[in-house]
Amino acid sequence: ETGVTQTPRHLVMGMTNKKSLKCEQHLGHNAMYWYKQSAKKPLELMFVYSLEERVENNSVPSRFSPECPNSSHLFLHLHTLQPEDSALYLCASSQTGISPLHFGNGTRLTVT
Amino acid sequence: AQKVTQAQTEISVVEKEDVTLDCVYETRDTTYYLFWYKQPPSGELVFLIRRNSFDEQNEISGRYSWNFQKSTSSFNFTITASQVVDSAVYFCALSEFAGGTSYGKLTFGQGTILTVHP
Repeated sequence: ETGVTQTPRHLVMGMTNKKSLKCEQHLGHNAMYWYKQSAKKPLELMFVYSLEERVENNSVPSRFSPECPNSSHLFLHLHTLQPEDSALYLCASSQTGISPLHFGNGTRLTVT
Repeated sequence: AQKVTQAQTEISVVEKEDVTLDCVYETRDTTYYLFWYKQPPSGELVFLIRRNSFDEQNEISGRYSWNFQKSTSSFNFTITASQVVDSAVYFCALSEFAGGTSYGKLTFGQGTILTVHP
């Protein structure tokens, strides 16, 4: 079982749909992250949860809504997305104190 | 503001060649961390190395080696005797240090696509 598991692996949704991305970590870490990876752009940090509190929100549009119900689970709720939101969404976890991030395989999102 | 530049967008080599991936960073912090990650076609980023700003010793791990030079703000990565399995996107990243309760807010470079041909 991998340390950080993301589901689904692929998602195609229309602009009026509502969907959620799920991330689960089995490493006992206390910080979780959402990153967006678009073509030809650096990875962009979207949200950080440390000890289940949101500590970072990098000017992400409100159509992306994160949720962290406990230290092992992280969700990204999506609604009324735009085609430019199509990207690979990566979840990561770490132990606070600048330990390395452990990433999941990502969810490839296509907005039609 | 922090910035990481990986000037090489794509590199193509033949198996057994040595290859160096360049990374140049900018930061005003005196304490910071540098990372390299590998992203194979499966998508997940795999951690390769972390180096703090006070440790300029070069590191070797098998066929991988890293050259950290503060004077030129560079943290280059060399693969010796490359193999087809090394084909991936490689990312250099920089993290500020904000104390013991800090978390990994990484600034990534744009990545270098490495293709190793048989």
